[in-house]
Amino acid sequence: DPKIIQKPKYLVAVTGSEKILICEQYLGHNAMYWYRQSAKKPLEFMFSYSYQKLMDNQTASSRFQPQSSKKNHLDLQITALKPDDSATYFCASSQGSGASDYTFGSGTRLLVI
Amino acid sequence: QQQVRQSPQSLTVWEGETAILNCSYEDSTFDYFPWYWQFPRESPALLIAIRPVSNKKEDGRFTIFFNKREKKLSLHITDSQPGDSATYFCAASATGNTGKLIFGLGTTLQVQP
Repeated sequence: DPKIIQKPKYLVAVTGSEKILICEQYLGHNAMYWYRQSAKKPLEFMFSYSYQKLMDNQTASSRFQPQSSKKNHLDLQITALKPDDSATYFCASSQGSGASDYTFGSGTRLLVI
Repeated sequence: QQQVRQSPQSLTVWEGETAILNCSYEDSTFDYFPWYWQFPRESPALLIAIRPVSNKKEDGRFTIFFNKREKKLSLHITDSQPGDSATYFCAASATGNTGKLIFGLGTTLQVQP
């Protein structure tokens, strides 16, 4: 069974629309993260959360907003979508910020047309 | 500015040879260096990792050599197999740094049978 569930697996969106990427982890970890991977910038860190609190934000745009409704959830809301947002978005988690047990989800492939 | 650099960008070896993947970093506060491998259309998965207290970490055919003074490390894959063909990412993290992993751009390894 997958330990980190990301939904949907594939997503096609129209420019200017808004989408929410879902992430749930069942590893009992207290830290969760979002990364983006594209041909231009492979595996780029976006956000980190610990105990549902934002710890780090490396995205330049406020169009990307993480949302944590539960300890094991960290969704990513993206507004005013642009073609440049097309990428695979990976959710990850770890126990604490030590990063030694990082686990990545299977990703959501987003295509903005 | 890329904080973690990898070379070569791509590498082809014959089955049974040793593949050597290089990585260097800038930030002297980095104290955890994992290597991830990623197969096409899959998520990154932890392969092997090292902390600066050691200058070598071995796991089967995979060995990390670490040179703290020069801020360099390398991943050696002995007796390379076609199944090792993947993209390898060197990453770095600093304790207390929100768990963020900084990834290099990756080395794509092709092992020819």
